[in-house]
This record gives sequence, C-alpha cells and structure tokens, in this order.
Amino acid sequence: DTGVSQDPRHKITKRGQNVTFRCDPISEHNRLYWYRQTLGQGPEFLTYFQNEAQLEKSRLLSDRFSAERPKGSFSTLEIQRTEQGDSAMYLCASSLRRGEKLFFGSGTQLSVL
Amino acid sequence: AQKITQTQPGMFVQEKEAVTLDCTYDTSDQSYGLFWYKQPSSGEMIFLIYQGSYDEQNATEGRYSLNFQKARKSANLVISASQLGDSAMYFCAMRGIIQGAQKLVFGQGTRLTINP
Repeated sequence: DTGVSQDPRHKITKRGQNVTFRCDPISEHNRLYWYRQTLGQGPEFLTYFQNEAQLEKSRLLSDRFSAERPKGSFSTLEIQRTEQGDSAMYLCASSLRRGEKLFFGSGTQLSVL
Repeated sequence: AQKITQTQPGMFVQEKEAVTLDCTYDTSDQSYGLFWYKQPSSGEMIFLIYQGSYDEQNATEGRYSLNFQKARKSANLVISASQLGDSAMYFCAMRGIIQGAQKLVFGQGTRLTINP
C-alpha cells in the first residue's frame, strides 16, 4: 500500500495558462475523488469516478475544468485558461467500497499569478 | 443538503490535557456517517475516526473518541492526553449512506495548537 500520490506537489502558473494534475490512487481502489481546498476552508467536492466512469460533478466544476480517468486507474484534472481564483490546494482521494473512508493524497498546491 | 458546522476556529491546549473539538451537522438523511480527519502542515488528510448514525456506542480509536449525540446532531471529537504532534487542522465531515454516498461534506475546520 503506497498510498494516494499526486503530482506535482506545487504548481505556479500565469493567468490564462492551462495546467494538468495527476493522481494515482491506491491500486485496488475503484473509487476516486477530486476536492479543492482554499486557505482557511475545508475541502470542497469537485468530482467522483467509479472505475473510468465520472458519476458526479459539482457545480464548482466550471467548463474550464475537466477530469478524466481513462483506464480506471490514475486520473488527471485539467484547468484551462487559469484564473487567480483557481489558486487552491487540489486534493485527490480514493476508496475501495461505497460509504468507506477516503484515503487522501498530499495534494497539489496551485498558485496562479 | 448536508452541512457541517465547526464553531471553533482555533484551540490552544497544554500538552497532556484532553481536548474536545466541536462539530454539529444538519442532514435530512436517515442513514449517514460522520468522520474526523487531521490535516498537518504537510497537507495530507489523515483519517482519525468514524461514527455511523445507527451505531449505538460512541466510536473510539486509541486516544480519539467521538462523542455522538444524535438528538442534538453533534459529533464532537475528544483527544485524550494531547501530544505536541497533535497540532494540526481538524475537520469534521459527513456522508449520506444512501443518498449522496459518493462524497464527503466537510466543515471549515479547527486549528489545534498543543503547547509544551
């Protein structure tokens, strides 16, 4: 069990650029989640995958955001035309069964200048 | 809709003392789960303890216990014999077991500082 890993740990970009983050869940976990956490707040749900199917998306996930999990293993989260308001910690989590606790990665800290 | 409220932005406690972190929740679900996570400065969310809405006994995990009062919709975390390594952000979260079972809803968190 190597845990949930996220890459990169930190990303600094200029407004208007596209960025992509990667998440590798715990290997046998078929459920994968993306959350966003801004300074001083709790994590907010963005989207959920069961295997390769994206089953739930938050209203927070604007059309500039897209997430994929093509083979039901790792996932990517892309933000197009970044804005300063996108600056946040992006957390990935995985779980094995419905209703179980989530295992989180260390997150990707995005700073948009 | 589910909502978690943590009213203590910050708590300061002397080492070895017990501390209670408050959490109240609101949901229309009959079945739900309550979680506490710890987030140290490294950023990773670490699972601490879970309480199901139909569990009759309060959950315990080592030094952590959950004071679950269903009628008052509260799920306070109690840390006994606090240690310096307990300094971190603590988040209460809930999840519907039938509806909305796909996501956790988090509170705003409490920053706990343990003083030597």
